[in-house]
Amino acid sequence: EAGVAQSPRYKIIEKRQSVAFWCNPISGHATLYWYQQILGQGPKLLIQFQNNGVVDDSQLPKDRFSAERLKGVDSTLKIQPAKLEDSAVYLCASRPTVDEQFFGPGTRLTVL
Amino acid sequence: GDSVTQMEGPVTLSEEAFLTINCTYTATGYPSLFWYVQYPGEGLQLLLKATKADDKGSNKGFEATYRKETTSFHLEKGSVQVSDSAVYFCALMDSSYKLIFGSGTRLLVRP
Repeated sequence: EAGVAQSPRYKIIEKRQSVAFWCNPISGHATLYWYQQILGQGPKLLIQFQNNGVVDDSQLPKDRFSAERLKGVDSTLKIQPAKLEDSAVYLCASRPTVDEQFFGPGTRLTVL
Repeated sequence: GDSVTQMEGPVTLSEEAFLTINCTYTATGYPSLFWYVQYPGEGLQLLLKATKADDKGSNKGFEATYRKETTSFHLEKGSVQVSDSAVYFCALMDSSYKLIFGSGTRLLVRP
């Protein structure tokens, strides 16, 4: 089966600009996650969706980050305006009913 | 809250050496435990998992045993290869099915 798809793979922007990332989970996976992985650290959860509803966004910096999952399938994560400390790899993952998450290749964001 | 602590790297080994990467966790209840691997330029891949105490997860020659009494899930491999060079992450899945990761351990295997 096809894996989790993410685009773009790389993005370079200047601070205060906006950026958006896209994720297409594995077909049929109801739960979708966005993680932020700063260089040298483990991934940290930003937001968790169940179908098109938000389950947990407690770690999402809501003053600049937003995410949506329309129709319970694809999802977009947006940052506006970006800061230098947002430079990281943004990982999307999806989960079927069992306790395992499948990760996409990630989007590497560099904020200059 | 729940957390995972793993040994800092980098860990540098010669090919065919024995590998241990330590991982301990703090959690309420008995979470499922995972090891993920991240090869250069790639995303996270599940290496192995264990869902209850005394379970042993294994894959590609790697093993880890869920030890409730020591709250540990150490990763081992009897004979590493150059192709095992990567970053290894220990993680637990909490009661709301989100993963909490350790900080990762970089493994470098020399020929």
